[in-house]
Amino acid sequence: AQSVAQPEDQVNVAEGNPLTVKCTYSVSGNPYLFWYVQYPNRGLQFLLKYITGDNLVKGSYGFEAEFNKSQTSFHLKKPSALVSDSALYFCAVRDGGATNKLIFGTGTLLAVQP
Amino acid sequence: GAVVSQHPSRVICKSGTSVKIECRSLDFQATTMFWYRQFPKQSLMLMATSNEGSKATYEQGVEKDKFLINHASLTLSTLTVTSAHPEDSSFYICSARPRGRGNTGELFFGEGSRLTVL
Repeated sequence: AQSVAQPEDQVNVAEGNPLTVKCTYSVSGNPYLFWYVQYPNRGLQFLLKYITGDNLVKGSYGFEAEFNKSQTSFHLKKPSALVSDSALYFCAVRDGGATNKLIFGTGTLLAVQP
Repeated sequence: GAVVSQHPSRVICKSGTSVKIECRSLDFQATTMFWYRQFPKQSLMLMATSNEGSKATYEQGVEKDKFLINHASLTLSTLTVTSAHPEDSSFYICSARPRGRGNTGELFFGEGSRLTVL
């Protein structure tokens, strides 16, 4: 079965510093990977996805993610964090079944201190 | 584009009553919609997959008779929590996949509905 793991419940970073939110995956076949962000009491917003092609994927709000096949990772990164980036981040993988549903990780709370 | 509207955003009801939550894709057609439940500080739990014109597919452990899902058109799916109890209080989120993006497309999410059962 497809799955993703987010090993960190929370990541703390100072504003202006680079940030990384970790995600590892386990899939059979080619992975279709996604990152979403959730602000308090809101739905999820799509940030970026990896389907094929370049390992470095650029997304919304200055975020990017690097697909690493050998390490089965898809870490989310941003060169310079903003306080407004503080939110809950979810990594997801597409399930290979008929409905192509997304399987989400447990989420990582990003806290950016001013 | 790809906006999903979810209504109501907040609802408070008495125990034993039923509550309906609507999920609409405003600018695209969605043959498939998904309903998630999220507990405080936890991830999203997929409840069911809603397919237009057919019965929903429920995840293991989700009561079909408790959480009624209807996907009557390509732009509307509804979740009805029947005979609600306090333990049903949660944040419910719907998502939709634009028609034709089954293999690679991301999901678009509604803003969620906070249900509180007294």
